[in-house]
Amino acid sequence: GENVEQHPSTLSVQEGDSAVIKCTYSDSASNYFPWYKQELGKRPQLIIDIRSNVGEKKDQRIAVTLNKTAKHFSLHITETQPEDSAVYFCAFLAGSYQLTFGKGTKLSVIP
Amino acid sequence: NAGVMQNPRHLVRRRGQEARLRCSPMKGHSHVYWYRQLPEEGLKFMVYLQKENIIDESGMPKERFSAEFPKEGPSILRIQQVVRGDSAAYFCASSPKGGGDTQYFGPGTRLTVL
Repeated sequence: GENVEQHPSTLSVQEGDSAVIKCTYSDSASNYFPWYKQELGKRPQLIIDIRSNVGEKKDQRIAVTLNKTAKHFSLHITETQPEDSAVYFCAFLAGSYQLTFGKGTKLSVIP
Repeated sequence: NAGVMQNPRHLVRRRGQEARLRCSPMKGHSHVYWYRQLPEEGLKFMVYLQKENIIDESGMPKERFSAEFPKEGPSILRIQQVVRGDSAAYFCASSPKGGGDTQYFGPGTRLTVL
């Protein structure tokens, strides 16, 4: 079946530093790649997404890059803050509607 | 604009009982998806429904699990004769359209089977 590999599984950074999370996916036909942030006990919240007709998208301190040839995409968070601490999931659209999720990256921002 | 609503938020059942999980999509959304999340894991797709139709239930176990999205009222995920392995967080998501439209998640129902 379709799958996505997400790395690293845990990431600790000092406040103000950057964090990068990478995902590699299997479905070359996929054209939609969202990132979700999940705080403990809460719902996954969409923080940014990218479609395959662009290579990069930025929203304030968050950016996502997509390399369709290599089938990988990355989340970049700059100037990290303690409230960025959460689990981040990458996902891609397998088929026309089914999201396939990575296993998550637990980000800890140390004040 | 209320987001996706799920209830109950927490549900405790004994082995062999039935669990009924409800999901009300965002206003204007007619597409509902159910996902299951085990501890320390990502979300796994279970079923995709539109009003009165199951479009894809390929991720849902064939036995004991069923889902519906009636013309009126919330979508229901039903688990009969629950077992300990059913303990998980169940999230539903909704979108206004299918086909790659953005999915917005509800707060989840945390099911514990004793």
